[in-house]
Amino acid sequence: NAGVTQTPKFQVLKTGQSMTLQCAQDMNHEYMSWYRQDPGMGLRLIHYSVGAGITDQGEVPNGYNVSRSTTEDFPLRLLSAAPSQTSVYFCASSYSARERSKPQHFGDGTRLSIL
Amino acid sequence: GQNIDQPTEMTATEGAIVQINCTYQTSGFNGLFWYQQHAGEAPTFLSYNVLDGLEEKGRFSSFLSRSKGYSYLLLKELQMKDSASYLCAFNTVRRALTFGSGTRLQVQP
Repeated sequence: NAGVTQTPKFQVLKTGQSMTLQCAQDMNHEYMSWYRQDPGMGLRLIHYSVGAGITDQGEVPNGYNVSRSTTEDFPLRLLSAAPSQTSVYFCASSYSARERSKPQHFGDGTRLSIL
Repeated sequence: GQNIDQPTEMTATEGAIVQINCTYQTSGFNGLFWYQQHAGEAPTFLSYNVLDGLEEKGRFSSFLSRSKGYSYLLLKELQMKDSASYLCAFNTVRRALTFGSGTRLQVQP
């Protein structure tokens, strides 16, 4: 069982570059989300999706775009990287937005540094 | 608004019991989760409470009081491998988790 797979695991970018963080899950989960984790600040929600074709903003969406063309994939795009986006990014999924007791499953994270 | 607080760090001794507290404020509460996160790894699910009371799962128990906006995670018979960060998070009507900053627990021999 692969679960939630994130690529790449590490990335260094220069300010102004763009890139896409990939996230794929093989559990047929409806709900997927992206978080960033910074020291001392916990996990903050960037964007989420309750199903294919449906996305919404979280707590810190500025500078990021998402799309959900399939149930399995939920890529996160950095439009123009800034040093403030240096962070660890986690993708998570869960069975359904309606099943509130079901936990979210996290990928291993992408460690992103912006120079 | 929404807010969630937990202590930054705790230290405990192997074999002992430790209680990690979490207080929260939200207008759309739909349950509270506890996750464990070892350094450099992804968070993993520990427990979920939606009704008041204690949920026990092996060495770990979690308690919730919705009227007080309060939860705690109780770890018994501490082991060295329990050294990790413990994150509390509440569920909102949007099915979006709001996380606390995490409590870093260090278990000493």
